[in-house]
Amino acid sequence: DGGITQSPKYLFRKEGQNVTLSCEQNLNHDAMYWYRQDPGQGLRLIYYSQIVNDFQKGDIAEGYSVSREKKESFPLTVTSAQKNPTAFYLCASSIGGRMNTEAFFGQGTRLTVV
Amino acid sequence: RKEVEQDPGPFNVPEGATVAFNCTYSNSASQSFFWYRQDCRKEPKLLMSVYSSGNEDGRFTAQLNRASQYISLLIRDSKLSDSATYLCVVNREDSNYQLIWGAGTKLIIKP
Repeated sequence: DGGITQSPKYLFRKEGQNVTLSCEQNLNHDAMYWYRQDPGQGLRLIYYSQIVNDFQKGDIAEGYSVSREKKESFPLTVTSAQKNPTAFYLCASSIGGRMNTEAFFGQGTRLTVV
Repeated sequence: RKEVEQDPGPFNVPEGATVAFNCTYSNSASQSFFWYRQDCRKEPKLLMSVYSSGNEDGRFTAQLNRASQYISLLIRDSKLSDSATYLCVVNREDSNYQLIWGAGTKLIIKP
C-alpha cells in the first residue's frame, strides 16, 4: 500500500537532547512538509522541500533542521535550541508544484520533553 | 491578519441539523482550495476539494466565492460521526504552491 509513515508515534526527550523524527513516503511525491500542531491550534509549517537536496524554511524553523537526501525520506531533527518542543509533529507529502494537489499525512509523532 | 482565517468554534449542533462555516483568505493569488477533516489526536485527511463552480459530495457541499475571497462548507443531516475539526487549506501559485492552513473550526454534533 502506498502511503506516508512517521516514526516513532510517541517520543520523549530530555532537556538538551537532539531527537530525529522519521518520515518516509512511497507515493513518489516530490514535495514533503513538516508541520507542528499545538493543542487547539492549526498547523504551522516548519520546513518544506519541493525536490531532493533542496528545502526551505517555513514559519517556525528556528530550532529545527531537516535533510532531503532521498525523494522518499524527509527526517526532522528537533535540536536543543528549540525551547518548547512538546507538540504533535505531522509530516505530509504532495505531488507538489501543481494546483489542486492533495496533501497526504503520516499519523504524526507526539514529542514530549521530560 | 492571518492569511487564512476560520472561526475556531466550537459549533454545537444537534444531530440531523444543517451546519455551515466559512473560511476567508486574504491573498488573491490563491488558486486552489480544500477542506480537510481532523479527528482528535489524529492526522488531517482530505474531505473535499473546492471547485469554482462549487461541488457536492453526499451531505457535504463546498462553495467558493472569489470576489469576496471565502470558501464555505455546508453539512446537511449532520451525524454524530461528523464531530471533528474542519481545516481550510489554500494553495498559492506565487509561493510555489505551498499549502496555507487555517487553524480549523471545531464541530460538535450532539445527540
